[in-house]
Amino acid sequence: DTGVSQDPRHKITKRGQNVTFRCDPISEHNRLYWYRQTLGQGPEFLTYFQNEAQLEKSRLLSDRFSAERPKGSFSTLEIQRTEQGDSAMYLCASSPRALDDSKYEQYFGPGTRLTVT
Amino acid sequence: AQSVAQPEDQVNVAEGNPLTVKCTYSVSGNPYLFWYVQYPNRGLQFLLKYITGDNLVKGSYGFEAEFNKSQTSFHLKKPSALVSDSALYFCAVGDGDDKIIFGKGTRLHILP
Repeated sequence: DTGVSQDPRHKITKRGQNVTFRCDPISEHNRLYWYRQTLGQGPEFLTYFQNEAQLEKSRLLSDRFSAERPKGSFSTLEIQRTEQGDSAMYLCASSPRALDDSKYEQYFGPGTRLTVT
Repeated sequence: AQSVAQPEDQVNVAEGNPLTVKCTYSVSGNPYLFWYVQYPNRGLQFLLKYITGDNLVKGSYGFEAEFNKSQTSFHLKKPSALVSDSALYFCAVGDGDDKIIFGKGTRLHILP
């Protein structure tokens, strides 16, 4: 399977614990995006990388959230001191670096569903 | 700021009938518009996009969308619905900086 993969698929944690999610993009894609999706809402942009550079972070991304893409391949999203409001589906997507408009074609992983109790 | 609106939370259509899922947009500059579909327990899948050119855009699984500049709409359509089309559909717009802004989604139910 050469699609975007995410691990774990489900995570249940207690409030105050730290969690880390991993995303493996499509191998030839140099852009990687993180989104958060809550029930009844569309995905909301969190942050994105071009290669290993983090180019933009949403205001939704509080100081408790950090994302890395150390070698420009896989990425991790860490949430420290989780809160019940962090419960959501965390989606990762990748896209090719393209000079044409195909750069907007983002390919999504299955997501990691986080439940904070 | 770029945004899209999906006025219907849910749309019910009988199998075999034509379907329409509505989307309106608000952009500054040229619109980059998309439709994505989300099946249960699966990630979002790209259906189609409008960048420039013909106002009728054809995409995956027999879906198409009509770009209407005067009405600022980008409705998703299919001539004959299948039960397997039942899913959550998202309209989206490119923000000009390589990010996508999604609507709230419309749940499509195809009734057998």
